[in-house]
Parts: sequence; structure tokens; C-alpha cells
Amino acid sequence: GQNIDQPTEMTATEGAIVQINCTYQTSGFNGLFWYQQHAGEAPTFLSYNVLDGLEEKGRFSSFLSRSKGYSYLLLKELQMKDSASYLCAVRRNNAGNMLTFGGGTRLMVKP
Amino acid sequence: DGGITQSPKYLFRKEGQNVTLSCEQNLNHDAMYWYRQDPGQGLRLIYYSQIVNDFQKGDIAEGYSVSREKKESFPLTVTSAQKNPTAFYLCASTKGTPGRTEAFFGQGTRLTVV
Repeated sequence: GQNIDQPTEMTATEGAIVQINCTYQTSGFNGLFWYQQHAGEAPTFLSYNVLDGLEEKGRFSSFLSRSKGYSYLLLKELQMKDSASYLCAVRRNNAGNMLTFGGGTRLMVKP
Repeated sequence: DGGITQSPKYLFRKEGQNVTLSCEQNLNHDAMYWYRQDPGQGLRLIYYSQIVNDFQKGDIAEGYSVSREKKESFPLTVTSAQKNPTAFYLCASTKGTPGRTEAFFGQGTRLTVV
């Protein structure tokens, strides 16, 4: 079966750095996505990794290690508006390239 | 502007009734998906469709049905067989081609059984 694990909740301080981890066990791995979701809203795309290494995009970076089945999302210079849920999703090429989501990590940024 | 539209935003259903959630996209995407999200949880796949007139069950298809008669449309029917339908429903679409093809989501439909 497919298994994607993330911490349920995290708290961090405005201006700080936070790392949200995601571990996965899946067949047909074909890329890992991170999405941000504010309460009651649709998820929005943040980042995509398919090869090992770090992808940087402004304040957000995402890392992937395929051999370890591990990814993290790094958020720098945290702002209050970063308070949201962060969803890790794995794409599987043996299942119509659909995305399988983890349970999400609820991040609270405090002043 | 291209996008994916879900309607209605809020839906109330009486027990024993079937209801249909609409999802339309003008992104010319081949693949469309329906996810269910319960409070504080991640997204679980209900059904997906890679091409017109074809669809596959996801992880929690029981009590749901879909159709894909047009490329742009992928409606979801929540039947009376679904025992706990109150949830947030999200429709998504992707190009369905290799490479970085992120899913685009609609704004969701919040279904409540009264």
C-alpha cells in the first residue's frame, strides 16, 4: 500500500525558519509535491521535486531523497500569513499519475 | 482566465438523498480527480479520470459515482449509500503528461447532511 507521513502540527515564531518533514513508501514514484492550504480553501501548489536535491523558490525550499523516501519543506523568514496546512503529495506513474496526499501538517506562526 | 470551477460552494443534503457536485475546467486538462477532506485531515481520492468516457475508483469510492462525458466536466454524485457524506470535496485537474504537472484545484464544495 501507499504510506505518506507528516507531523500533525508544528508551531514556529515569526521571522524564524521551520522545516516540515515528509516520509513516504510508495510504488511507481514519479515526483513529490508540496501544497499550502489555508483553512476552508483549496490547496495551492508550492513546489515539485522528482530528482534528489534541493529546489529553492524564494522563501520556500523543498528537498528530496528518493533512496530514503524522504522530503522536507523549508520555510524561511516566517510570516503570520504562513499559518496554514502544508500537504505532501506523491505522484505515482502506476496509477494514472494521480496524487496521493499525506495527512497534512498544520503550522501555526506566532508573533 | 483558465481555471477549475466547482459549484455550489455550500450544499445541504437530507439523509437518503442523492446530490451532485459540479466540476468544470477550461484548462484543456486530460485528467480530473475528486478528493474528500475531513476536518484536520489530508485529501483522500474518491475517483479519477484520465480521458473522456473512462474513470477509475480511488481509495474511497463506495457510495459515490462519477461520469466523464465531456473533457471539461467531471461531476460527482454522492449517493444515499454514502454513510458519512459530510465533508469538504475538492475537484482537481492535471495535464496528464509526464513532467512537472501539478494539480490545479477548484475552490471546493462543503457538503453537510441535515
